[in-house]
Parts: sequence; structure tokens; C-alpha cells
Amino acid sequence: DTEVTQTPKHLVMGMTNKKSLKCEQHMGHRAMYWYKQKAKKPPELMFVYSYEKLSINESVPSRFSPECPNSSLLNLHLHALQPEDSALYLCASSQVGGRYEQYFGPGTRLTVT
Amino acid sequence: AQKVTQAQTEISVVEKEDVTLDCVYETRDTTYYLFWYKQPPSGELVFLIRRNSFDEQNEISGRYSWNFQKSTSSFNFTITASQVVDSAVYFCALSGGSGTYKYIFGTGTRLKVLA
Repeated sequence: DTEVTQTPKHLVMGMTNKKSLKCEQHMGHRAMYWYKQKAKKPPELMFVYSYEKLSINESVPSRFSPECPNSSLLNLHLHALQPEDSALYLCASSQVGGRYEQYFGPGTRLTVT
Repeated sequence: AQKVTQAQTEISVVEKEDVTLDCVYETRDTTYYLFWYKQPPSGELVFLIRRNSFDEQNEISGRYSWNFQKSTSSFNFTITASQVVDSAVYFCALSGGSGTYKYIFGTGTRLKVLA
């Protein structure tokens, strides 16, 4: 099973809402990632979890709060977002270390109104 | 500093033509890893290939082939006999090795294959 799943596929939220994005993988990977991708741009790394601990935070605003409840799950909690946060949010997983390929989920397309 | 350049922003070809997507990278690391990903309109990035800096063998997988040349810091991707389903954005990425998790992505090449 080489699948990374993400829910929801689409999300529309107001600037005062709180919502969460969910990601799950069953490949036994111990590194998981959140990326943000704007139209016609490459993905930008937001967070990396390694062995369920946050190892990289790419100076992401605190209105984005990641959580890794266990080795298969990754959440991204959203609060008080801005319209410029509208983007495709991609989750990925890999074996630990930069030498390994990352497997991506289908993404959540987020619109902030 | 590490950098990946995909100079071709968009390429259009007619079905069954061969097409080569260019990727040029910069790094001071002696050990590094290069990747190609495909992103169809659905949005998911699909892993295509990984190559480490010590393995300069070219690789062929069906209609896909990759040419890695350290002398020119290039890792080019060729699709032979292109098909409409090959239409996507293709990203080349560089990783510095075991101590880092961050991919340096190129800006991507949008390939349109016309029927």
C-alpha cells in the first residue's frame, strides 16, 4: 500500500473559523510533511515530523498548528486564516532522511473567504 | 547554496512526439539526491525517479528515460512517444542527503500533449 490519503478534498472557511486538515499513511514511514502550494508554483515546505516529533518548522505563522498523534496520522489545525492562505495543502511521507523519495497525498484545496 | 533550474516553463508537443524536460542543479554537497515528480491536474505529486550523486547510470522505464550528467549538473527527463495522459507539470527536486529533509524544487515545466 503506497497511498497517502488526505481529507477533506476541498475546504472553504471564513477568517474566523477553526478547521483541521487530516493526513494518513500506512506505509510505515516515520517522516511526514506538510506543504503549501500556490497556483503555478512548486510546493513550499511548512513542517516536518520525524518519529512523531516536530523537526522542522519553516517559520510558518502560528495560525497554522501541526499535530502528529501517531506514526500514521498528521493533522494541520487552522485558525484565523487570511485570504492569502488559500492554496493547495499537500501532505507527504517518507522514510526518515532526505535521501528518500516522498509520497504525496492528493491535497486539500483550501479557500479562505 | 542549492538551486534547481527548470528553464522551460511550458512545452507543447503533438502526441507521439518525443520531448525532453531539462533540469540543471547547483550544490556544493558531494552526496545529494535528485528526484522527478509529475503533478497532473488532479494535484497529487507522483514520484517518478530518484538518483543519487554516485550513480550516473541512465535509467529507462517504459517510455520514460533519465539522463544524469554530473559534468554539466543536469538531470534531464525524456518522454518517448508522448501521450495525452503525459500532460502535467513536472518538477525536478534536489535533496542534500541524510541530514536534511528539505527538497529544493525547480519551478516546474508544464507539458501539454495535444491529440
